[in-house]
Amino acid sequence: DAGVIQSPRHEVTEMGQEVTLRCKPISGHDYLFWYRQTMMRGLELLIYFNNNVPIDDSGMPEDRFSAKMPNASFSTLKIQPSEPRDSAVYFCASSSTSGVDTQYFGPGTRLTVL
Amino acid sequence: AQSVTQPDIHITVSEGASLELRCNYSYGATPYLFWYVQSPGQGLQLLLKYFSGDTLVQGIKGFEAEFKRSQSSFNLRKPSVHWSDAAEYFCAVGAGGFKTIFGAGTRLFVKA
Repeated sequence: DAGVIQSPRHEVTEMGQEVTLRCKPISGHDYLFWYRQTMMRGLELLIYFNNNVPIDDSGMPEDRFSAKMPNASFSTLKIQPSEPRDSAVYFCASSSTSGVDTQYFGPGTRLTVL
Repeated sequence: AQSVTQPDIHITVSEGASLELRCNYSYGATPYLFWYVQSPGQGLQLLLKYFSGDTLVQGIKGFEAEFKRSQSSFNLRKPSVHWSDAAEYFCAVGAGGFKTIFGAGTRLFVKA
């Protein structure tokens, strides 16, 4: 299995621009998670999906952030407009019901907003 | 509310020495507990997990952890550290519904 795939691995953009991060979960996994990691705040859960349906988006910082999962093999996290404080590493992780809470993480997208 | 505390921001050990990373959790019911490792530039990888049964759990790469309910702890240990173990280690608790709460992490440095 290829594992969780994220793209791009690095993104540098200017304040005010739209940013779209992409994730392909492990085939057969029915849970997908988006996390943000910063030095100041550590690893924060932003949102998670089950069977493509958002279950808990309480961690999404504000309306500039949105996430979608149009099918079982693809999810996006969009920031519009981006701000410098959004600079972080964004991780996608997936899990299967039979895996009892074990999450498999992608390599992350390092976002820098100038 | 569920929470995880890793009291040590960073730890330095000599190669070949033993290691113990501390983790304390707060959770109202029997917790699901995890240790993950993150190498530089990588995502998190599961080392081991505890759900029930034997309180001493064996994981990958020679790591083990012991669940102590009376102390609300789940400390990670390794008898002999290798230079390749240098990484950041995260303790986590399953908060129900597949939501996982992660600690702030402990960065491990290994000196020759």
